[in-house]
Amino acid sequence: KNEVEQSPQNLTAQEGEFITINCSYSVGISALHWLQQHPGGGIVSLFMLSSGKKKHGRLIATINIQEKHSSLHITASHPRDSAVYICAVGTTYNTDKLIFGTGTRLQVFP
Amino acid sequence: GAGVSQSPRYKVAKRGQDVALRCDPISGHVSLFWYQQALGQGPEFLTYFQNEAQLDKSGLPSDRFFAERPEGSVSTLKIQRTQQEDSAVYLCASSLARTGRQPQHFGDGTRLSIL
Repeated sequence: KNEVEQSPQNLTAQEGEFITINCSYSVGISALHWLQQHPGGGIVSLFMLSSGKKKHGRLIATINIQEKHSSLHITASHPRDSAVYICAVGTTYNTDKLIFGTGTRLQVFP
Repeated sequence: GAGVSQSPRYKVAKRGQDVALRCDPISGHVSLFWYQQALGQGPEFLTYFQNEAQLDKSGLPSDRFFAERPEGSVSTLKIQRTQQEDSAVYLCASSLARTGRQPQHFGDGTRLSIL
């Protein structure tokens, strides 16, 4: 079993829909990261959180430490949101070494 | 530039050749990370530097892989006697602080294809 698991693996949506991507982990963490990867490889850090909720524009990230679960929400989705979204954790036993999920491929159609 | 720069963007090599991949982190960033990303998978940790010190190389898949950061800024990942299974995207990231509580800034990666 992977230490970081994401669901769904693939997601398609119509423009304007509300989107949720889930991440579950099985290790103690120092922080959880949500990353966005566009075709061509570039990765952008969206959020880093260790508790509660963060919001940036149309993106919202939440984390429940007790349940070892995080969600990334996209409100009013747009075709430019199409990308792979990756969850990664820094563990309590090695805060610098990130463990990544396999990613969720999102396609938003106009 | 302001971001993490990796070169080359694409590298094609024949099996058995040696390759060198370069990473130029954001100026002043103490920590530097190398990751390997196979097609359709998430990145996997290879190695980590704080300044010039290589603190963790537990992810390097074999002794054919070697990384250095001699002056605490630019880093090079070298792969000797390349094999087809080395084909992947190699990502470099840097962060400002010495702990894991700072976001990592990623380069665009080097896509390595071994023929």
